[in-house]
Amino acid sequence: GAVVSQHPSRVICKSGTSVKIECRSLDFQATTMFWYRQFPKQSLMLMATSNEGSKATYEQGVEKDKFLINHASLTLSTLTVTSAHPEDSSFYICSASRGALNTEAFFGQGTRLTVV
Amino acid sequence: GQQVMQIPQYQHVQEGEDFTTYCNSSTTLSNIQWYKQRPGGHPVFLIQLVKSGEVKKQKRLTFQFGEAKKNSSLHITATQTTDVGTYFCAGRDNYGQNFVFGPGTRLSVLP
Repeated sequence: GAVVSQHPSRVICKSGTSVKIECRSLDFQATTMFWYRQFPKQSLMLMATSNEGSKATYEQGVEKDKFLINHASLTLSTLTVTSAHPEDSSFYICSASRGALNTEAFFGQGTRLTVV
Repeated sequence: GQQVMQIPQYQHVQEGEDFTTYCNSSTTLSNIQWYKQRPGGHPVFLIQLVKSGEVKKQKRLTFQFGEAKKNSSLHITATQTTDVGTYFCAGRDNYGQNFVFGPGTRLSVLP
């Protein structure tokens, strides 16, 4: 149990376009989902925490208008990178939790975004 | 702003040797978390420590949170090849403003 799936696993888009990344909890209901970003061979950065049915809570320094997060159901959260630029190229990872804490969360496989 | 450092950056050990990675924060943390990420894989949550001076064990892994809640360590006894990966610490400062990951320690275990 506790499988979290991200889609797509890889995406290439042109500068100026928007990209949507999906995070699904396949066999449990996720009250809370977390979105992270990881640069190549670098550490993780928590971007935001999303709760089903409410607005996401963004970490300091993360542009909420740039990275739109929607947690419309207990099994799906989406991250939309709007007006993407090459510097947005990164590995985006989600995790999903039955509860409110990221200590109970399970990670997806990640999405490699390349903006050209 | 809050900074979290980890040492060493890389560690190569022979299978069976012990390994320790240290995590140091510039500010007092409300808690410390540890994650493991295998090469090419996604992170896996290992543990959270909350109390000052707390020590927790998971089989061959021992986690410690410093008395001042500004540093932590992860010690692996008798490493195995399955321990290969990058170990990240992460924590939120006491003001609840920043959740920051350390840069990670990459462990290689030679058989």
